[in-house]
Amino acid sequence: DTEVTQTPKHLVMGMTNKKSLKCEQHMGHRAMYWYKQKAKKPPELMFVYSYEKLSINESVPSRFSPECPNSSLLNLHLHALQPEDSALYLCASSQDPGVAGGKYTGELFFGEGSRLTVL
Amino acid sequence: GQQVMQIPQYQHVQEGEDFTTYCNSSTTLSNIQWYKQRPGGHPVFLIQLVKSGEVKKQKRLTFQFGEAKKNSSLHITATQTTDVGTYFCAGPGTPKGGYNKLIFGAGTRLAVHP
Repeated sequence: DTEVTQTPKHLVMGMTNKKSLKCEQHMGHRAMYWYKQKAKKPPELMFVYSYEKLSINESVPSRFSPECPNSSLLNLHLHALQPEDSALYLCASSQDPGVAGGKYTGELFFGEGSRLTVL
Repeated sequence: GQQVMQIPQYQHVQEGEDFTTYCNSSTTLSNIQWYKQRPGGHPVFLIQLVKSGEVKKQKRLTFQFGEAKKNSSLHITATQTTDVGTYFCAGPGTPKGGYNKLIFGAGTRLAVHP
């Protein structure tokens, strides 16, 4: 069983809708991530929160807006999405964010994902 | 940006045969991780390798990190149907904001025929 919980598991939305994806972890991890995964492709990094602050934004369009209300929660707010944004959105956490130049990059614990369909 | 290249993209094996997937980088990696994603599932961490020439085993799985820390491999001995899934290697991409980020290889999809 995953210790990272994502809701909803499935979401269908129109291009004018506003919706949010939610992620929760209670492992005391200090880094949380959003990845996007299209079918038969690897997970693609979108955002990283380190110690509750946005540390990495991989040039994601502004129609995706992340939020980290506290160390256990991570949200992804969705607005005016396009059909090509349909994908599996994976939340992950790691004990610590890997410090640049360090030997270790945190082991990621993934949630089961939210499968998003944009009509 | 830094990438890890992974081959093969797809492999069919008969149950009981061995399987190997390879990961290569043009630059030295500080570490490399391996994940498994079952069909319809989410990636699950398998292992992290840090040392040059490191070899680690988990039952039928053997992980290697090259001497130059530019390549890695995952070898499964005597595959079983439970090994079906996609195996990803992942390495630290170009750091950003003072932090490492994990970049996934393209993955190798393993199909095992009974």
